[in-house]
Amino acid sequence: SQTIHQWPATLVQPVGSPLSLECTVEGTSNPNLYWYRQAAGRGLQLLFYSVGIGQISSEVPQNLSASRPQDRQFILSSKKLLLSDSGFYLCAWNGPAANSPLHFGNGTRLTVT
Amino acid sequence: ELKVEQNPLFLSMQEGKNYTIYCNYSTTSDRLYWYRQDPGKSLESLFVLLSNGAVKQEGRLMASLDTKARLSTLHITAAVHDLSATYFCAVSMDSNYQLIWGAGTKLIIKP
Repeated sequence: SQTIHQWPATLVQPVGSPLSLECTVEGTSNPNLYWYRQAAGRGLQLLFYSVGIGQISSEVPQNLSASRPQDRQFILSSKKLLLSDSGFYLCAWNGPAANSPLHFGNGTRLTVT
Repeated sequence: ELKVEQNPLFLSMQEGKNYTIYCNYSTTSDRLYWYRQDPGKSLESLFVLLSNGAVKQEGRLMASLDTKARLSTLHITAAVHDLSATYFCAVSMDSNYQLIWGAGTKLIIKP
């Protein structure tokens, strides 16, 4: 069966510090991968998605970036965090089928102080 | 621009009661998803609705889709406390990658 791992679970970082969140998927090949952000009490905002190694699409311009160095690895990064980057970050994957639902990781709660 | 509206945004109800959450969307779409999120947790896929008239049921939850009315409903039958969560609907854009999400309905079921 497929599983998705995301870490760390929680993170407290000062403004201006770098960020690296990692997500890996097991049990499937060539998944579509996604990074979402959820502000407190809000819906989901798609940040990036990837359909293959090295292929990244950005949905929202900001100081975050994403990379996919391996088929089942997706990394969210920032060189300098802003206070507004605080939130709940969720990695997700789905298969190539048009109706494939998203499967989410457990999320990373980021607080920028 | 595709917009998705859920209502109500907050619902407090007693165990044993029935209620419906509504998800309206603004333009044509052929795929609608329902997810559940427990407090502080990630999201779990509940239903995928693919065609007009589609109805899916899992336990006390039943979801339906009316593509002509651009409306999906999530019906809760004889609610139990364990169903307390936030429920999101999401509608696909043209591609498989972009989903437009509703704001979520926070459901509290009191014992």
